[in-house]
Amino acid sequence: EVQLVESGGGLVQPGGSLRLSCAASGFTFSSYALSWVRQAPGKGLEWVSAISSSGFSTYYADSVKGRFTISRDNPKNTLYLQMNSLRVEETALYYCAKGRVTGEWDYWGQGTLVTVSS
Amino acid sequence: QSALTQPASVSGSPGQSITISCTGTSSDVGGYNYVSWYQQHPGKAPKLMIFEVSNRPSGVSNRFSGSKSGNTASLTISGLQAEDEADYYCSSYTTSYTVLFGGGTKLTVL
Repeated sequence: EVQLVESGGGLVQPGGSLRLSCAASGFTFSSYALSWVRQAPGKGLEWVSAISSSGFSTYYADSVKGRFTISRDNPKNTLYLQMNSLRVEETALYYCAKGRVTGEWDYWGQGTLVTVSS
Repeated sequence: QSALTQPASVSGSPGQSITISCTGTSSDVGGYNYVSWYQQHPGKAPKLMIFEVSNRPSGVSNRFSGSKSGNTASLTISGLQAEDEADYYCSSYTTSYTVLFGGGTKLTVL
């Protein structure tokens, strides 16, 4: 059974940093691209970042480019998102998702909540 | 880049068919056949319903179908059921190597 379990969310002040993790199991981790997608409370989905199966290629939404870094550790079956210079409007539930960089994500985690507030 | 345009809400009675549109530009929806549709029930993670414009993942009911014409993609749900009541989001790959979502459509089954 495919499982994606996010962790690392919490309360952080504006301008602060946070590192999210996504532990994967039930599939050949190193064969699939992965993405982070966020959803602000009561709002729609917003794609944040994606990484190729090898980790060689990374992609970012303009809104996070230069502040967020996506990475993966294939031997540990774990995806990461380092978030720096966080803004209040980035308060959201952050999901990791398995699939393709073109946007077809067939499995999603349950999300980890990031709250940016002073 | 702006989000893809979806109607905020649609509704239909059980057994009827409804269609949700998703309008973009030639740089996203019109430029690639990488349009996906997701269903999200309250408090749950999104579920992939359609990928590559018109393909259904294994396990998704054939009551769900997708199509595209120019810069507009569409999701049609036939034989509406109460369990179809949810939020629906389209997404598209773009020429900037990013993915755009639509703003979401709330489907109400009357």
